[in-house]
Amino acid sequence: GENVEQHPSTLSVQEGDSAVIKCTYSDSASNYFPWYKQELGKGPQLIIDIRSNVGEKKDQRIAVTLNKTAKHFSLHITETQPEDSAVYFCAASNSGGGADGLTFGKGTHLIIQP
Amino acid sequence: DSGVTQTPKHLITATGQRVTLRCSPRSGDLSVYWYQQSLDQGLQFLIHYYNGEERAKGNILERFSAQQFPDLHSELNLSSLELGDSALYFCASNGASSYNEQFFGPGTRLTVL
Repeated sequence: GENVEQHPSTLSVQEGDSAVIKCTYSDSASNYFPWYKQELGKGPQLIIDIRSNVGEKKDQRIAVTLNKTAKHFSLHITETQPEDSAVYFCAASNSGGGADGLTFGKGTHLIIQP
Repeated sequence: DSGVTQTPKHLITATGQRVTLRCSPRSGDLSVYWYQQSLDQGLQFLIHYYNGEERAKGNILERFSAQQFPDLHSELNLSSLELGDSALYFCASNGASSYNEQFFGPGTRLTVL
């Protein structure tokens, strides 16, 4: 089955700086890669996703890049703000048929220092 | 707010007992996925139902079962509970119009004493 590795487990950055979280996956059949943000006491919230026919996707301060050959994808957050502090999860799935659940990385605790 | 609702918010029970967790998907979504989140295992996919039918199984124990009803709400049944079943249980829903995006509910925190 799919295995997703996520690094780092904790990331502390100064407010206004950029943050980068990296994930690798093992199953070359995976073709859908979402990122979720989870705040304390809440469920994961989808913030951006990318499909394997696209190399990069951007939404305001958030961007995701995908390298299918190397089987890795990354989340980039620019101009970080205090409200960006949370745990971020990457995930992967084979969206064929839409049946499979998501395989998640272990999460990155992002801390924005004021 | 994702539009997915889960009840109860918290559940405290004893080993050996059985509990039922409930999930209502977003309006119009036919798919419901169940996940378990624990400190040691992280977020793990348990099972997927689509329009009342089981579509895929993940790391779901035999003591656990689920079903989806005609009104599309779903229930996750956990029986013969063990201390290690203490975790957050999330459901997520997905509709035909949102491709593979899964929208998560607020979760049920289960504590087994």
